[in-house]
Amino acid sequence: AQSVSQHNHHVILSEAASLELGCNYSYGGTVNLFWYVQYPGQHLQLLLKYFSGDPLVKGIKGFEAEFIKSKFSFNLRKPSVQWSDTAEYFCAVGGYSTLTFGKGTMLLVSP
Amino acid sequence: DTEVTQTPKHLVMGMTNKKSLKCEQHMGHRAMYWYKQKAKKPPELMFVYSYEKLSINESVPSRFSPECPNSSLLNLHLHALQPEDSALYLCASSGTSGRAVGNGELFFGEGSRLTVL
Repeated sequence: AQSVSQHNHHVILSEAASLELGCNYSYGGTVNLFWYVQYPGQHLQLLLKYFSGDPLVKGIKGFEAEFIKSKFSFNLRKPSVQWSDTAEYFCAVGGYSTLTFGKGTMLLVSP
Repeated sequence: DTEVTQTPKHLVMGMTNKKSLKCEQHMGHRAMYWYKQKAKKPPELMFVYSYEKLSINESVPSRFSPECPNSSLLNLHLHALQPEDSALYLCASSGTSGRAVGNGELFFGEGSRLTVL
């Protein structure tokens, strides 16, 4: 069975601060990893995804994530956050037919 | 804009009502999903349809009844719900190039926000 663990439930940052959200997974097969974002009152949107190849993945809105196989990690990063990045962030691992989500990290960026 | 369309966006129903949520996709995906999301929680998988056949039912109560009339449509029939069933119901699809399911990448709709009184 696959599982995902997100380290922080809430993160509070000031604008222009750097962001790193932790994500660890467990899965026995070929792993596909995702970060989704959910802005307040909105639907889930895909930020970025990793299937294979370059372990440093760049996504939308300046986000990136690094897949470190030895650490079973897929941390999300952004060099300088903006107030508009306030949202819930979900890490997810994709198996053959299902997507398993972590519990989410609520990011609050203060102006 | 999402390519998975869900209707209605909002639904309020009583515990004795019968209603349905609808989902439609035209991306040629052959797997479709229902997820339930409570406030400030991650989405929880309810059902998976693969090639229009129910392949996963995550022990969902029978008051939720899924239906897949064809490869583009997915319904969730609701009957005798409880107030604790109030949530955002998300539809998703996946699977390209003729495969029933893809590589775990799901395309989500905007959701139907259900309130049970």
